[in-house]
Amino acid sequence: SAVISQKPSRDICQRGTSLTIQCQVDSQVTMMFWYRQQPGQSLTLIATANQGSEATYESGFVIDKFPISRPNLTFSTLTVSNMSPEDSSIYLCSAQMAGLNIQYFGAGTRLSVL
Amino acid sequence: AQSVTQLDSHVSVSEGTPVLLRCNYSSSYSPSLFWYVQHPNKGLQLLLKYTSAATLVKGINGFEAEFKKSETSFHLTKPSAHMSDAAEYFCVVSDRRSSASKIIFGSGTRLSIRP
Repeated sequence: SAVISQKPSRDICQRGTSLTIQCQVDSQVTMMFWYRQQPGQSLTLIATANQGSEATYESGFVIDKFPISRPNLTFSTLTVSNMSPEDSSIYLCSAQMAGLNIQYFGAGTRLSVL
Repeated sequence: AQSVTQLDSHVSVSEGTPVLLRCNYSSSYSPSLFWYVQHPNKGLQLLLKYTSAATLVKGINGFEAEFKKSETSFHLTKPSAHMSDAAEYFCVVSDRRSSASKIIFGSGTRLSIRP
């Protein structure tokens, strides 16, 4: 398995600002993902973080709003840009190891936008 | 295309009684199926997974699930509920053919345990 650390664990932000969430994995993984969980909802995939190249975004999510970096095999960041109250959600990072069809999740970042 | 349907948004049982959380899936190919649990203010924890071996899968904390291809179901059960089982449970499907495939989450079932 993989242990995934996310920070910050929670934050309260002002409208119009940006927040960068960090995700660190304790071992080298092939794939990393970012999800959003809106209040009372299930998880929705935002994008797949590709190492050394641009992330692959799902329908409804764009790079300008959710820029993602993945400089190496164990680290990724997600930025929520120009935030509005509608961005208040839990953002979760997950990682998948080579040859294993299992995703392991971080504890999530609880974001509230005022 | 793949999809997963959790038939109950909320299940409430008494402590010590059996738990049944229902999940049906749709997949064009042989699926991998998972159950994750999310306790309040916590991340997601993998409970169990089905990939292609035994159809009855045992997970952590006394949970198990049975893959029934004829019914396209993967229901989660536990013989005796404990107060600590109160959480949100997600059924998840992915395409077993590819380790690079995305996973699809069900809408979740909130399990409440009555004393």
